Amino acid sequence: GAVVSQHPSRVICKSGTSVKIECRSLDFQATTMFWYRQFPKQSLMLMATSNEGSKATYEQGVEKDKFLINHASLTLSTLTVTSAHPEDSSFYICSAEGGYTEAFFGQGTRLTVV
Amino acid sequence: KNEVEQSPQNLTAQEGEFITINCSYSVGISALHWLQQHPGGGIVSLFMLSSGKKKHGRLIATINIQEKHSSLHITASHPRDSAVYICAVRSSGGSNYKLTFGKGTLLTVNP
Repeated sequence: GAVVSQHPSRVICKSGTSVKIECRSLDFQATTMFWYRQFPKQSLMLMATSNEGSKATYEQGVEKDKFLINHASLTLSTLTVTSAHPEDSSFYICSAEGGYTEAFFGQGTRLTVV
Repeated sequence: KNEVEQSPQNLTAQEGEFITINCSYSVGISALHWLQQHPGGGIVSLFMLSSGKKKHGRLIATINIQEKHSSLHITASHPRDSAVYICAVRSSGGSNYKLTFGKGTLLTVNP
């Protein structure tokens, strides 16, 4: 199946700094990428939908100035957590799709803000 | 009430047992996905279904569109099948192609 690479898998950062997470589709063109956040023992919560070349659509309650999403090409989307705080510590995961097709997920990023 | 309900929430089995995980949904869908999430967090897509039945190795997924129900079966279960299994549906109609997720079923297979 298709491969989606997410990097880094784990990151620890100091409070107040920014962290960038990359999501790459390695063998197909991802017209749409989704960013999710997952709390312990909870299911995935959609944060935003990004389409290549256009602004991301954020879900209600997600601060777009805090979670910056860029989808500059058909194979790369990035999520930047700006001015991170301990409450931003979570598991973040992306998925990529090439239309109404199967969803391919990245490996996820465990963010810890200290 | 969640749009996607999974049962059971937790399931413990002995190696070799036949496993069934159920998923019911309340909206019209264009597709249903079964996903597997291991303790490390990464998610693997197991099946995408819009009708009928699919089989891959020891895994079988079925869907009944009229009854809005899907099942994931694991034959001859093995400890390496231990994971969280998630059902997700994609609503039909409109331009909304977001996935709606169930809460997952934690499967533990003991040797």
